Amino acid sequence: SAVISQKPSRDICQRGTSLTIQCQVDSQVTMMFWYRQQPGQSLTLIATANQGSEATYESGFVIDKFPISRPNLTFSTLTVSNMSPEDSSIYLCSVLKLEKLFFGSGTQLSVL
Amino acid sequence: GIQVEQSPPDLILQEGANSTLRCNFSDSVNNLQWFHQNPWGQLINLFYIPSGTKQNGRLSATTVATERYSLLYISSSQTTDSGVYFCAVNSGYSTLTFGKGTMLLVSP
Repeated sequence: SAVISQKPSRDICQRGTSLTIQCQVDSQVTMMFWYRQQPGQSLTLIATANQGSEATYESGFVIDKFPISRPNLTFSTLTVSNMSPEDSSIYLCSVLKLEKLFFGSGTQLSVL
Repeated sequence: GIQVEQSPPDLILQEGANSTLRCNFSDSVNNLQWFHQNPWGQLINLFYIPSGTKQNGRLSATTVATERYSLLYISSSQTTDSGVYFCAVNSGYSTLTFGKGTMLLVSP
């Protein structure tokens, strides 16, 4: 398995500000992902965080809004920029290890 | 892209009852996983099961890839089984697509 530490666990932010979420894995992994889960909904993939190159974004998500860093094989950050109330969601870091997907505990974001 | 449908959307059980959750998918898959999201939001990987049958304690899963469905069985349910169960699949080199989930409530 994989142990994933994600922080902050929750935050309340003002509209127009930015929040950076950190994800630390206890072992080196090639594939890291960021998901969003809106209230009462399923998980939607935001992007694949690539080590040493730009992240690969899914349709509907752009780098200016959700910049991602992946400086090494155990760490990644997701920034939610210029936030609006519509960005209120749970944001989840995940890694693929031996074909299985493992998740961090998530960041509950509320934007006022 | 691949479509994933889970049923039922909601399920209420008495403690001790058995249940079967279903996941239908629209294309052949090379990865299928079942997850449990507990009431506190933590997602736990239950099974990696692109085909065949696996068991882990009171939980078991079967995937019939040729007929494009997977089943998750929960026996002798406990209140700690409450939460949302997600099925996620991919085909080829695409990323995992999640179904909408089945919300399970087990009452004492």
